[in-house]
Amino acid sequence: DGGITQSPKYLFRKEGQNVTLSCEQNLNHDAMYWYRQDPGQGLRLIYYSQIVNDFQKGDIAEGYSVSREKKESFPLTVTSAQKNPTAFYLCASSIEQPPNEQFFGPGTRLTVL
Amino acid sequence: DAKTTQPPSMDCAEGRAANLPCNHSTISGNEYVYWYRQIHSQGPQYIIHGLKNNETNEMASLIITEDRKSSTLILPHATLRDTAVYYCIVRIYAGNNRKLIWGLGTSLAVNP
Repeated sequence: DGGITQSPKYLFRKEGQNVTLSCEQNLNHDAMYWYRQDPGQGLRLIYYSQIVNDFQKGDIAEGYSVSREKKESFPLTVTSAQKNPTAFYLCASSIEQPPNEQFFGPGTRLTVL
Repeated sequence: DAKTTQPPSMDCAEGRAANLPCNHSTISGNEYVYWYRQIHSQGPQYIIHGLKNNETNEMASLIITEDRKSSTLILPHATLRDTAVYYCIVRIYAGNNRKLIWGLGTSLAVNP
């Protein structure tokens, strides 16, 4: 089955540690996205990538980094510079042509202790 | 600034139609309207999208007003599994930048 996988589903880290969240898709989509969701809030865009080896900052990129070395993979690193990293992180992918609806993974819930 | 406005919550009886409204008065001519839903602690699920015409698929119908300033998502026969937060979204363009602007959505409770 085609889809997007994120791992792990739950992640715990100590304050000050960097952590990398995995996102893989086998939908052959060019574009991939990372969002953050806080309780009772909508999604906020962290980073997105429209093509391999290229990515753009979203609305809340500070304290995060990404890479796009392969079409299928778009890992997100939450660095120690992120002031409030505890959140639900969602990865999505889409085709590039309109209407380019996004398909989401199941999410990773990160808790920093 | 928010691009869409939705009521924060709605109730619907099981088996009845659920009509979820959305205002998007600043939508541009080439912007699509998307609807997604999110069941608690899961990733959002794409439902439907439209540009000018009404649309229907196996999940829902989307009615867009002629002036495109508002739309309504219709779940024709709501079930308990349709209980979720429903997001109405438009896409903005900023140069080569395309992104979806997510609001707070409507929390739909389908009651037995």
